[in-house]
Amino acid sequence: GDSVTQMEGPVTLSEEAFLTINCTYTATGYPSLFWYVQYPGEGLQLLLKATKADDKGSNKGFEATYRKETTSFHLEKGSVQVSDSAVYFCALRGGAGGTSYGKLTFGQGTILTVHP
Amino acid sequence: GAVVSQHPSWVICKSGTSVKIECRSLDFQATTMFWYRQFPKQSLMLMATSNEGSKATYEQGVEKDKFLINHASLTLSTLTVTSAHPEDSSFYICSARDRGRDGRTDTQYFGPGTRLTVL
Repeated sequence: GDSVTQMEGPVTLSEEAFLTINCTYTATGYPSLFWYVQYPGEGLQLLLKATKADDKGSNKGFEATYRKETTSFHLEKGSVQVSDSAVYFCALRGGAGGTSYGKLTFGQGTILTVHP
Repeated sequence: GAVVSQHPSWVICKSGTSVKIECRSLDFQATTMFWYRQFPKQSLMLMATSNEGSKATYEQGVEKDKFLINHASLTLSTLTVTSAHPEDSSFYICSARDRGRDGRTDTQYFGPGTRLTVL
């Protein structure tokens, strides 16, 4: 079945450092890819998404590019802030022709802590 | 953005009792809602897909008689954990699917989760 593997955490950075959280996936069909963020005490929020190969999702300074050849969707941000401290989840939604059509499959989550 | 609420946010119950968790979409109608379970430091695991007006679809390995799902309206789905035991203690998260007024968008919004502790 479909699966998502993301970089284990926790990740601890200083403010203004560069962030990369790796995410790779296996899926049949043509999945859509997502990054969700969960701030303390809140529900998951969609951060960005990409629906086809070579698409780049971006939001709030975060970016991720859908790489079909490497089955990856790594999350990056050039300069993190303390307010970015949260748990980040990579996810895929099964696409047409896949065994998990319409369902979200999540990675295990990566805890990010940014210090001033 | 759209908001999904869950109630209660946390609950403690005795072994053998039943617990009901509500999931509401607050400013959109959701024909489809999802229930997930999250263990500490682990990913969200899809338990079931709840469709308004029809029976829920359960994932492999999830006991439908233990985790009863009712999606009686376009804004409310409930999960009832029947005869709860300590191993059912977990964080339960719901999400609601917003297809937009024209049906051209497809976004899942997540509730804040419910922490269940069974003693």
